[in-house]
Amino acid sequence: QKEVEQNSGPLSVPEGAIASLNCTYSDRVSQSFFWYRQYSGKSPELIMSIYSNGDKEDGRFTAQLNKASQYVSLLIRDSQPSDSATYLCAVILNSGGYQKVTFGIGTKLQVIP
Amino acid sequence: KAGVTQTPRYLIKTRGQQVTLSCSPISGHRSVSWYQQTPGQGLQFLFEYFSETQRNKGNFPGRFSGRQFSNSRSEMNVSTLELGDSALYLCASSLARGDEKLFFGSGTQLSVL
Repeated sequence: QKEVEQNSGPLSVPEGAIASLNCTYSDRVSQSFFWYRQYSGKSPELIMSIYSNGDKEDGRFTAQLNKASQYVSLLIRDSQPSDSATYLCAVILNSGGYQKVTFGIGTKLQVIP
Repeated sequence: KAGVTQTPRYLIKTRGQQVTLSCSPISGHRSVSWYQQTPGQGLQFLFEYFSETQRNKGNFPGRFSGRQFSNSRSEMNVSTLELGDSALYLCASSLARGDEKLFFGSGTQLSVL
């Protein structure tokens, strides 16, 4: 089992719809979770962080965390073509006594005009 | 404030050669992490440096090494290049060790022929 799992997609949604991106992780004690956005040919940029169970909203973006199910998701409301990118889930995992930021493979999102 | 600077942007090498990549973090950031990104594996953690010391290392062979200087600039070196080393190498800086907000450079695209 991979430490951080995501469906690589592509996930296609029509403009104006809600895009739902999902991520599961293996380490039960993980406390910090992030979503990065990576446009084609560009480097990843942090868009959301979440540390507590429940929802965290920032504009059109909502991050959801369920530690019991080891599941984190990102909802994008009113999706725009400019949201088309790869979304990387990142989790702080404990490895050999150290903490490291571990990324999923990323889900490619395509917003169709 | 200048972002994370990586040089060179592109590199073409042949098998057996060695290569050195450079990363200058955001001013004031003391932690530098390196990642390898490939389409099939996503972002793979290489190592993290803080205060000139390697604090964490990923599951890569000893051909991959790095160092950090007193001004927080970092270099990574890959010796005896293999075809499979072709990838985008990303450097990320953060304010302090354990600060999980990573700021990425544009990356170095390495092609091994």
